Formats: sequence, structure tokens, C-alpha cells
Amino acid sequence: GENVEQHPSTLSVQEGDSAVIKCTYSDSASNYFPWYKQELGKGPQLIIDIRSNVGEKKDQRIAVTLNKTAKHFSLHITETQPEDSAVYFCAASKSNYQLIWGAGTKLIIKP
Amino acid sequence: EPEVTQTPSHQVTQMGQEVILRCVPISNHLYFYWYRQILGQKVEFLVSFYNNEISEKSEIFDDQFSVERPDGSNFTLKIRSTKLEDSAMYFCASTLTGGTEAFFGQGTRLTVV
Repeated sequence: GENVEQHPSTLSVQEGDSAVIKCTYSDSASNYFPWYKQELGKGPQLIIDIRSNVGEKKDQRIAVTLNKTAKHFSLHITETQPEDSAVYFCAASKSNYQLIWGAGTKLIIKP
Repeated sequence: EPEVTQTPSHQVTQMGQEVILRCVPISNHLYFYWYRQILGQKVEFLVSFYNNEISEKSEIFDDQFSVERPDGSNFTLKIRSTKLEDSAMYFCASTLTGGTEAFFGQGTRLTVV
């Protein structure tokens, strides 16, 4: 079945710098790749997603890139702010139903 | 902003007891899901539900688990005879259609003692 690997497990960046989180997936049939942000005590919240017919998508300071050939996708956060501190999860889906999740990245923004 | 709500936020139960976790999905959504996250592990898919029947389920979702939409608003997950290894955070989610943005509840932390 599908497997999603996420790196790094922890990422510490200086406020204002960029952060990049990377994921790889195993099933070439996967076609939907969302990124979720989870703050303490809350459920995951979608921040951006991309489908397999698109190579890049941007929403203000957040962007996602997808390389279908290499089966990896990345989250880019520019001009990081303290409120970006959270756990970020990537996921992949092919069935339109279940999401297969990465292990999560704890992003720490240092003031 | 519409949201998915889950109750209770924390449930402690004795091993072997039945528990029901409750969720109110977003009102116009048609697809409903349960996921769980054991402490320190990945979020795992349990089941998806559409048109009053299960669409997909994982290997985790065995005969001890069941889901129900008893009325037009609630979506429940029942664990018939809880085991210690059922201790986890359980998340409910809903989507308007399949493969679109999933909205998650804040989770129910289930502790089996």
C-alpha cells in the first residue's frame, strides 16, 4: 500500500527565514497531496493542497511543489513568523477517501 | 466559519468497556471519516462513510469498530470492547465531496485503563 515519508521530524528556523519540509510517496497512483498544520490541542487544519496535474501552487507565504517523476512533494514557508510554529503533516491520497499521512514535522520559529 | 465538532474531548474507559465517540460534521458535507493517532505515531485512516454506508476501511477497523449516522447531524464511532492499544487521539473529518478539502474536528483523546 501507499507509504508517505516526511523529513525532517523537527525543523528550527530563525524568524523571517524560510522553512522547507519534504515528503515522498510510494504509490504512483496517488493524485492528491494536502498539507495540514496542527497546533497544540487542535485538530489538523488544511493549509494548502496540490493535485497531480499541477507542479506548483502558491498561497501568500506558503507554496507546495510536486515532482511526480520522483514521487516527492515539498512545503515551502517564506518569511516565517512565530505563529507558524506548529506540527505540519503531509498526506497523499488516490482513492478520494483515505489520506495516508506522513509522520509530521515540528516547526520551531526562533525569535 | 463552519467546523467539525467532537465530543467528548477526553474519554477514560476501562478495558473491555464500550465507548462511543461523537462527531457533528459540517452540515452540507456528504463524506465522513474517522482517523486515529496513537501518541508518537502517524495519523492512521480508520474508515470513510458516504450515503449511509462504509466506503472504505482500513485493517485497523475490525469487528470491534462500527460507525453510524443515527440522525441528520451526528456521526459516531463505536468501539465494542476497548483494548489498551485503542488508546489514541481520534479525529473525525468531513468533506463536501470525495477528494476535496477535509475539515477535522479537534479530536477525542481516548484513554483505556
